[in-house]
Amino acid sequence: SQKIEQNSEALNIQEGKTATLTCNYTNYSPAYLQWYRQDPGRGPVFLLLIRENEKEKRKERLKVTFDTTLKQSLFHITASQPADSATYLCALDMDNAGNMLTFGGGTRLMVKP
Amino acid sequence: GAVVSQHPSRVICKSGTSVKIECRSLDFQATTMFWYRQFPKKSLMLMATSNEGSKATYEQGVEKDKFLINHASLTLSTLTVTSAHPEDSSFYICSVRPDRSHEQYFGPGTRLTVT
Repeated sequence: SQKIEQNSEALNIQEGKTATLTCNYTNYSPAYLQWYRQDPGRGPVFLLLIRENEKEKRKERLKVTFDTTLKQSLFHITASQPADSATYLCALDMDNAGNMLTFGGGTRLMVKP
Repeated sequence: GAVVSQHPSRVICKSGTSVKIECRSLDFQATTMFWYRQFPKKSLMLMATSNEGSKATYEQGVEKDKFLINHASLTLSTLTVTSAHPEDSSFYICSVRPDRSHEQYFGPGTRLTVT
């Protein structure tokens, strides 16, 4: 079965630094990988989608990479701010149509002022 | 992105009763909606895919007779937890996927507590 691993321990960084979160997966080769942000007690919010033929995708201070050989995606937040503190989830698109998302356990990011 | 609402946001019920949760797609018609469950400090688990005008598709291990899904219109899907038990206490979240998109847009979630 599919296994998705995100660093389960909370990531604590100082404001202004770059946060890097990891998503590793096994047993599948998705054509799409997505990243979501989830705040406590709220539903996830879509951030970025990256395709298998894209090495990198950027959106403002966010950058996602997708290495299909390593079966890994990295999620970067540059110039981090306390408001970036949240749990970040990666999700594999299991049917390549967006109807079967399998989520990782998420990584909690804490940005300290 | 799409705007999705859920009601109620929080509900407490007694064991053995049924609870209905509504999910509405506010700015586009959704032929397909998704229902997830999330336990504390765990990730989202897909429970079922709600299809407008037809039966829902349930994931393995999810009892269709316990979690009744009705997708009666293109903007509304409901999840009814029947004969709720304390182990059904969880955070229930719905989502929609716009046509020609791969990403999903989630509602704010419903916190169910069964006493």
